[in-house]
Amino acid sequence: EVQLQESGPGLVKPSQSLSLTCSVTGYSITSNYWGWIRKFPGNKMEWMGYISYSGSTSYNPSLKSRISITRDTSKNQFFLQLNSVTTEDTATYYCARLGLGALDYWGQGVMVTVSS
Amino acid sequence: DVVLTQTPVSLSVTLGDQASISCRSSQSLEYSDGYTYLEWYLQKPGQSPQLLIYEVSNRFSGVPDRFIGSGSGTDFTLKISRVEPEDLGVYYCFQATHDPFTFGSGTKLEIK
Repeated sequence: EVQLQESGPGLVKPSQSLSLTCSVTGYSITSNYWGWIRKFPGNKMEWMGYISYSGSTSYNPSLKSRISITRDTSKNQFFLQLNSVTTEDTATYYCARLGLGALDYWGQGVMVTVSS
Repeated sequence: DVVLTQTPVSLSVTLGDQASISCRSSQSLEYSDGYTYLEWYLQKPGQSPQLLIYEVSNRFSGVPDRFIGSGSGTDFTLKISRVEPEDLGVYYCFQATHDPFTFGSGTKLEIK
C-alpha cells in the first residue's frame, strides 16, 4: 500500500525558510509524479508544485521565486523548501502522489504556523 | 490560471436524499491526449482529502457507486445519491489539465 508521511517544524519565523519532508513507503518515487499542496485557514487549497519520476520539477508561478522541490531516491523521500515565508504561508501542507492524472494518495498533512 | 467556480458554497441535505455540486472551469479541461483531468475530492473532518472521482467520471478504488461524476469541456457535476452520514465534509473539484493545477473553492456538505 502506498503511504506518504509529512514531517517538519510546526512553527517558522517570518523571513525564514520552511522545510518539509515527505517520506513514501510502498512505492518508489522514481515512478509517477509527487506533489505538494497546501490548505489555508478556511477552505482554500493551493497546488504548489511537483517533482517527476526523473527529477524534473514544475512550480506554481505564484511561488516560483521562493519554492524548491527536491528528492533523495535512496531514502524514497522528497522535500519542500519555501523561502522568505510570511504569515500568509500559514497553512496545512500535504504531499501527494499524482497517479491516474489525479492526486490518488495523500499524506496526513502537517500544520505550519508562521509567527515570530 | 484556470479558475474553477464551485457551487454551492454549502449544502444541507437530509439523509437518503441526493446532493449535487457544480464545478465550472474558465477554460476547457480536455487535454491534448483526449483525456479530461477533472477530479473530485472529499475532505472529511480531521482527515486528508481523499480522491473520489478521476477523469470526470471514474470512481477511485473503494468509492461507492452513490458518487457519480459527469460533464465535459468546462461544465462538471458531482452527484451523491442517497447521502449517508459519512459523506459530510468539504468537496473540492480539481483540474490537472493546465499547469498550474487548480482547485475549486470547496462545497461544505452538512447533514440536516
